[in-house]
Amino acid sequence: KAGVTQTPRYLIKTRGQQVTLSCSPISGHRSVSWYQQTPGQGLQFLFEYFSETQRNKGNFPGRFSGRQFSNSRSEMNVSTLELGDSALYLCASSGQGAPGELFFGEGSRLTVL
Amino acid sequence: SQQGEEDPQALSIQEGENATMNCSYKTSINNLQWYRQNSGRGLVHLILIRSNEREKHSGRLRVTLDTSKKSSSLLITASRAADTASYFCATGRDSNYQLIWGAGTKLIIKP
Repeated sequence: KAGVTQTPRYLIKTRGQQVTLSCSPISGHRSVSWYQQTPGQGLQFLFEYFSETQRNKGNFPGRFSGRQFSNSRSEMNVSTLELGDSALYLCASSGQGAPGELFFGEGSRLTVL
Repeated sequence: SQQGEEDPQALSIQEGENATMNCSYKTSINNLQWYRQNSGRGLVHLILIRSNEREKHSGRLRVTLDTSKKSSSLLITASRAADTASYFCATGRDSNYQLIWGAGTKLIIKP
């Protein structure tokens, strides 16, 4: 069974640009969560989607958005990039409705210059 | 927001020794989970313990949960160099699908 796949793995952008990150969950998983991880702030929850609906959203500005497609693949977008958006963005999928075990991808490392 | 707080923030021990990490949380929970993260990689699920359980084992891992003290501990026995990683606890609640994460314990196993 293939794991969670995130693309791209590494990317470099400049301030003001936008970026789209992609996540393909484990086959059959309908829940996809996104996290931002930085050395200073730790693991911060961005949002969670289930069957194309956003169920939860973390405390991030509107520049951070996401969506989920009918095949459960998810994308997140960050517009008007700031230096502070440099981070490891992690996607996790889950097959359960309740907060159960999460399966993480390897992450997308974003550097904003 | 971070609910869980891991203690210690960093731990360095000799290979073969046991490592104990603690996690405290603030609200009622449905379950508590432990994850491992190797440097710059994704997190890997280690073990899930439900609120009605007090102890759980998985290989060299032992997790305890004390809901009266709102705390959990992760014990890794006979540590190996490959156990070097950051360890995170996360709590889940019935009414919310979001896991709340601690800041993590960085574990270094010295050969």
